Amino acid sequence: DAGVIQSPRHEVTEMGQEVTLRCKPISGHNSLFWYRQTMMRGLELLIYFNNNVPIDDSGMPEDRFSAKMPNASFSTLKIQPSEPRDSAVYFCASSSEGGGTSEQETQYFGPGTRLLVL
Amino acid sequence: GEDVEQSLFLSVREGDSSVINCTYTDSSSTYLYWYKQEPGAGLQLLTYIFSNMDMKQDQRLTVLLNKKDKHLSLRIADTQTGDSAIYFCAGEGYQKVTFGIGTKLQVIP
Repeated sequence: DAGVIQSPRHEVTEMGQEVTLRCKPISGHNSLFWYRQTMMRGLELLIYFNNNVPIDDSGMPEDRFSAKMPNASFSTLKIQPSEPRDSAVYFCASSSEGGGTSEQETQYFGPGTRLLVL
Repeated sequence: GEDVEQSLFLSVREGDSSVINCTYTDSSSTYLYWYKQEPGAGLQLLTYIFSNMDMKQDQRLTVLLNKKDKHLSLRIADTQTGDSAIYFCAGEGYQKVTFGIGTKLQVIP
């Protein structure tokens, strides 16, 4: 398996523009996570899906952020409009368990998307 | 929810042992994890320990768990320059895994 695939790897945009980040989880995994990593705040969980359903979006910063998972093999994280403080590395991760099963959950991370909002 | 804390930085000489410490708050955490992040890459699972264990050894890695104090540590024996990375402690609470801020390990040749 190719692992978790994220695109684009790098994105530079201007304030106010819409940004869409994409993720393809590992085939067969039923949980998907979006994280944001910054120097100041470390790794923050934004939202996670289990069986394509959003389970916990309490980490989504504000209404400018939205995430979708239309099917088991694809998810998007959208920022509209983007702001300079959104500059960060955004990671997608997937696991084969989730939803409170109490089973050991190894999360497999993608390489991340480095977002710079000018 | 779970809170996971760890120190930000550790510097060791090549060949020495490294010990990275972590504390967590959720005593019901079933699994505790150590992830490694190399520069420019995503996190990768290094090892994990089930909450009913005190210790787990895997080659150069030793994980110690003190449930009473909610303290987790990762010991890397014979630290190499390739071990330079950020190490994340994570605890599995109800329905989600919470990561610490990460400890940057610098290995001096």
